[in-house]
Amino acid sequence: EPEVTQTPSHQVTQMGQEVILRCVPISNHLYFYWYRQILGQKVEFLVSFYNNEISEKSEIFDDQFSVERPDGSNFTLKIRSTKLEDSAMYFCATHSGLNTEAFFGQGTRLTVV
Amino acid sequence: GDSVTQMEGPVTLSEEAFLTINCTYTATGYPSLFWYVQYPGEGLQLLLKATKADDKGSNKGFEATYRKETTSFHLEKGSVQVSDSAVYFCALSDNDYKLSFGAGTTVTVRA
Repeated sequence: EPEVTQTPSHQVTQMGQEVILRCVPISNHLYFYWYRQILGQKVEFLVSFYNNEISEKSEIFDDQFSVERPDGSNFTLKIRSTKLEDSAMYFCATHSGLNTEAFFGQGTRLTVV
Repeated sequence: GDSVTQMEGPVTLSEEAFLTINCTYTATGYPSLFWYVQYPGEGLQLLLKATKADDKGSNKGFEATYRKETTSFHLEKGSVQVSDSAVYFCALSDNDYKLSFGAGTTVTVRA
């Protein structure tokens, strides 16, 4: 069964450092999303990406965040200067088209110390 | 804006017990409703969905009915198994396809 793969599964980083979270979507999928879940809180939408540009972003997705699909396969989320409050589980999700199921990766647990 | 409120956990049950997890929503349009499940160490998986009022989604013995009059989408299973232990998320998607999730309910089923 096709799956969305996220790497790394767990990353520990120092405050102020840059991190890049990677997602390999299912090959024919066109719509990409990042969500995050701070421990004990809701899963929150961060950003959606289609046709090589951001479709929508939430208030959380400020200038410290960026997304790109540099090589047509990996879909990355970059946090330029991490803060303690960025510690969370980050989920990538993709789907192939309108009214189709979204497939989620297993998540990357980011810990900022 | 859109939001989802679901029953807080954790919920602990014995095998073969009846499970219900309440979920209510607020949306401006006519959303699609979903239940996602996260098994330990895995990503979110779609469990079932309903796209319009009175639709019933079902999968793996779980059911949920889209109730527009009560803005609810409660998840039920008549007889749970140990393998149903997971975190369950209620979610909605309005016309823009992004998902709005509830806080998740941790369910533990004991043998």
